[in-house]
Amino acid sequence: GAVVSQHPSWVICKSGTSVKIECRSLDFQATTMFWYRQFPKQSLMLMATSNEGSKATYEQGVEKDKFLINHASLTLSTLTVTSAHPEDSSFYICSGEGRSGYGYTFGSGTRLTVV
Amino acid sequence: DAKTTQPTSMDCAEGRAANLPCNHSTISGNEYVYWYRQIHSQGPQYIIHGLKNNETNEMASLIITEDRKSSTLILPHATLRDTAVYYCIVTNNNAGNMLTFGGGTRLMVKP
Repeated sequence: GAVVSQHPSWVICKSGTSVKIECRSLDFQATTMFWYRQFPKQSLMLMATSNEGSKATYEQGVEKDKFLINHASLTLSTLTVTSAHPEDSSFYICSGEGRSGYGYTFGSGTRLTVV
Repeated sequence: DAKTTQPTSMDCAEGRAANLPCNHSTISGNEYVYWYRQIHSQGPQYIIHGLKNNETNEMASLIITEDRKSSTLILPHATLRDTAVYYCIVTNNNAGNMLTFGGGTRLMVKP
């Protein structure tokens, strides 16, 4: 089946530093990948849509200069949280469309803690 | 995407069937019903989807009412490992169409 590999699974960083999260589609080509954020006891909230070879589309309220998304190939999308602050601490999840017509495949998520 | 309404939480005894309802009264004719689940601290997992016919796979069954305004996900023999948040999402199958998650149902399977 379709697999999305996401890493790191967890990261702790100091306030003001940047963190990069990678998502790779292992057995399919992902023209589009989605990045979600999930705070404790809440549902997933879409942050941005990442399209291979073009600029990402950000949801309202998501700072594009803070959350840098790169989708340079059909198998790799990255999210960089720049100048991280404690309020950026969250669970970040990516997803891509795997097997056609069978919904999206999600990565295992990255728990970011900013101290 | 059309909105869905699900109960916030449900309990189920281990070995019994878990029936999770979902209302999607504003679903459009070209929109499918998808079910995902999220086990704690993991990414969501695809379970099943359907358009208007009932569907069954190795994980679950999906019953969609004739008017398509509601559906029920059935886990025939719930196990402790089925404890998770279950999300019902309606969306069309166009490539690149995003999934919008509601609150989901927190299913607790108890021994």
